[in-house]
Amino acid sequence: KNQVEQSPQSLIILEGKNCTLQCNYTVSPFSNLRWYKQDTGRGPVSLTIMTFSENTKSNGRYTATLDADTKQSSLHITASQLSDSASYICVVGGGSQGNLIFGKGTKLSVKP
Amino acid sequence: DVKVTQSSRYLVKRTGEKVFLECVQDMDHENMFWYRQDPGLGLRLIYFSYDVKMKEKGDIPEGYSVSREKKERFSLILESASTNQTSMYLCASRVGGHQNTGELFFGEGSRLTVL
Repeated sequence: KNQVEQSPQSLIILEGKNCTLQCNYTVSPFSNLRWYKQDTGRGPVSLTIMTFSENTKSNGRYTATLDADTKQSSLHITASQLSDSASYICVVGGGSQGNLIFGKGTKLSVKP
Repeated sequence: DVKVTQSSRYLVKRTGEKVFLECVQDMDHENMFWYRQDPGLGLRLIYFSYDVKMKEKGDIPEGYSVSREKKERFSLILESASTNQTSMYLCASRVGGHQNTGELFFGEGSRLTVL
């Protein structure tokens, strides 16, 4: 069964600290993996996309990694800011019908 | 900038009422989607459309219908609203054909409360 599991469910960190969010998937065949950021009360917005051949991709203070062998991805946030408080959703594209499989998200709270 | 616009940010309806949620995109995207988002369950696909007049059931279509008469507009209809349909509804669009797994562009969401 195609699944995407994210951990932790929620996370609280102090402003300025780093953190890493995890995404494990069992989607096959694999097409790509995206990380979306969703601010409270808003729609998700894409942060990064990873394809099979990519190991690391950065977008400002956000760095995503992908290990296609172990089917794991991580999103690392450096020097967190209050505006990083949001839910982060991992979405894997693939499967026999080219579907999008959503993780349930990690809720990040950055405290001053 | 790409834009997906949902007609209502907040709605309060009574049980049994018919509810229309409208979504318009200005990117000439072929694919459009309706999701609902509930705490602890994440986003779940209700219906999607690959092109005008076309519609496909998602994972949780029961109690919903959709309409896509024009390429830019995708409507979600609750024929008889029930309290368990209280949720955040998100519309999204993307470019591409049937097997495309490209980026989704989301609207701001419509928070529906059914009393």
